[in-house]
Amino acid sequence: GNSVTQMEGPVTLSEEAFLTINCTYTATGYPSLFWYVQYPGEGLQLLLKATKADDKGSNKGFEATYRKETTSFHLEKGSVQVSDSAVYFCALFNAGNNRKLIWGLGTSLAVNP
Amino acid sequence: GAGVSQSPSNKVTEKGKDVELRCDPISGHTALYWYRQSLGQGLEFLIYFQGNSAPDKSGLPSDRFSAERTGESVSTLTIQRTQQEDSAVYLCASSPSQVGSSYNEQFFGPGTRLTVL
Repeated sequence: GNSVTQMEGPVTLSEEAFLTINCTYTATGYPSLFWYVQYPGEGLQLLLKATKADDKGSNKGFEATYRKETTSFHLEKGSVQVSDSAVYFCALFNAGNNRKLIWGLGTSLAVNP
Repeated sequence: GAGVSQSPSNKVTEKGKDVELRCDPISGHTALYWYRQSLGQGLEFLIYFQGNSAPDKSGLPSDRFSAERTGESVSTLTIQRTQQEDSAVYLCASSPSQVGSSYNEQFFGPGTRLTVL
């Protein structure tokens, strides 16, 4: 079946540190991959996406590359800010899975000044 | 335009009572989802509506849970005889049609925090 595994948090970093949040997946066929972000007190928002192998999604300084050979979609940012403190969710969409997003458990990030 | 709205934002109820949660999707969005977000459990799919098709209820955890949607508008999630383990944040999302193989972004509401005492 389809599944998403992402690194457990919480992750605590100092401002301007490099961020990596690991995400790996299991899926049949060719899924689309996503990172969603949930800022404190707000709803989930799509951060970035990639729909095919080797695609790189990017937004707000965050990047993730769809690696089919390693079944991974790791989220990276070169220099985090306090405002990046949030919970990050990796998710998978597979057209053969009744249109449901398959979610990772979320990784909490806290960035200290 | 307006995003997805949910009401109430917070609900505290006693064990055994029924609760009804409401979701107003973005106008024109034919797909609507309900999820449950429990502490440390990530997002759990509950139910999916797509236009006039029969809903996908495969995620509903028990027969105490039900949901309705009138056409392509408001949806209500009803939990009967609430239990303490039902305490969670209930999220609603809507999107343009999900028919076909491509994915259309889901837009999330702020959620309803349900606490069952």
